[in-house]
Amino acid sequence: AQSVTQLGSHVSVSEGALVLLRCNYSSSVPPYLFWYVQYPNQGLQLLLKYTSAATLVKGINGFEAEFKKSETSFHLTKPSAHMRDAAEYFCAVTFQTGANNLFFGTGTRLTVIP
Amino acid sequence: KAGVTQTPRYLIKTRGQQVTLSCSPISGHRSVSWYQQTPGQGLQFLFEYFSETQRNKGNFPGRFSGRQFSNSRSEMNVSTLELGDSALYLCASSLSTGANYGYTFGSGTRLTVV
Repeated sequence: AQSVTQLGSHVSVSEGALVLLRCNYSSSVPPYLFWYVQYPNQGLQLLLKYTSAATLVKGINGFEAEFKKSETSFHLTKPSAHMRDAAEYFCAVTFQTGANNLFFGTGTRLTVIP
Repeated sequence: KAGVTQTPRYLIKTRGQQVTLSCSPISGHRSVSWYQQTPGQGLQFLFEYFSETQRNKGNFPGRFSGRQFSNSRSEMNVSTLELGDSALYLCASSLSTGANYGYTFGSGTRLTVV
């Protein structure tokens, strides 16, 4: 079965500190992986996606993620947190073949402490 | 370029009623997917439409249905509303069907069933 697991439903970091949000996936076929961000009362905004090109993916707002097949991981990082990064972050997986609906993780709420 | 437009933004309905939600995709996008977001179940896939045909369906009861028009606009309908249908309903549009195209989400319709 295809799924994603996000470790840590809440993460707090100080402003200027490294942001690391964890995502592990399970997929029996080659995956496509996504990170989305959701601000209060808003929809989902795509941060970045992995579609089997470069394993290190750079996204918007200074975020990046690295696809590690051996670890089945796609962790999201940002070198220096800003107050505006406070939001909920979702990792999602879908497949390179067959049905292409997204399977989402349960989300990680990021708090940035001034 | 206009994004994905969902109307209405908020709805309050009574148990047993039916409701119709609308989604206008990005111009040129032909695939529309619907997701339900609740605190308990997270983000779950409802269905995908492409070229007016339902391509994929999630694990929801038959009370949930949808359709897509020739201009790619989509509607979803929920009949015989239950309290548990209270959720944020998100629409996502994509250039075509296929995960590598990526998905752009609207701001959602928040449905409250009382």
